[in-house]
Amino acid sequence: KNQVEQSPQSLIILEGKNCTLQCNYTVSPFSNLRWYKQDTGRGPVSLTIMTFSENTKSNGRYTATLDADTKQSSLHITASQLSDSASYICVVSAGSSASKIIFGSGTRLSIRP
Amino acid sequence: NAGVTQTPKFQVLKTGQSMTLQCAQDMNHEYMSWYRQDPGMGLRLIHYSVGAGITDQGEVPNGYNVSRSTTEDFPLRLLSAAPSQTSVYFCASSSSEGTDTQYFGPGTRLTVL
Repeated sequence: KNQVEQSPQSLIILEGKNCTLQCNYTVSPFSNLRWYKQDTGRGPVSLTIMTFSENTKSNGRYTATLDADTKQSSLHITASQLSDSASYICVVSAGSSASKIIFGSGTRLSIRP
Repeated sequence: NAGVTQTPKFQVLKTGQSMTLQCAQDMNHEYMSWYRQDPGMGLRLIHYSVGAGITDQGEVPNGYNVSRSTTEDFPLRLLSAAPSQTSVYFCASSSSEGTDTQYFGPGTRLTVL
């Protein structure tokens, strides 16, 4: 069964610190992997999208990595800010159909001043 | 561009009532989807559309109907609301079906009593 597992479920860090969120998937065939940020009460917003041949992609202080062999991805946040408090969702596409998009349940990140 | 818009933002229904959640996008995207988001779970696909006049079922379609008469609009109808349909509903659009970034609306928080 296609699945996307994220860890940890929740994380609290101090402002200015770095953190790494994990995503493991058992999705086949693999098309691409995306990370979304979802602020409370808002819709998800795309951070990065990576295909099979890409192993790292950055978007400002966000850097995503992909290891297609081990089927793992991580999202690294550098020098965290209070505005980074949100849920981060890992999404994997198993082909070209909308019905083949699998969402993880997200990591809830809280940044403390 | 307004992107993806959804109305209403909040709604309370009684069991058995019907209603329509509205979704519109102004990006000329062919592909649109409806998801529901429940606590501790990833987004789940309800229905999707690959273009005007074409719709298909997702993972959890029971109790919901959709239609796509124009490229811009993709309304979701609840036929006879049940407490199990209490959730946050998101509409999304993209320029390609399963491999491109999805743009999400702000969501509709629905409570069924």
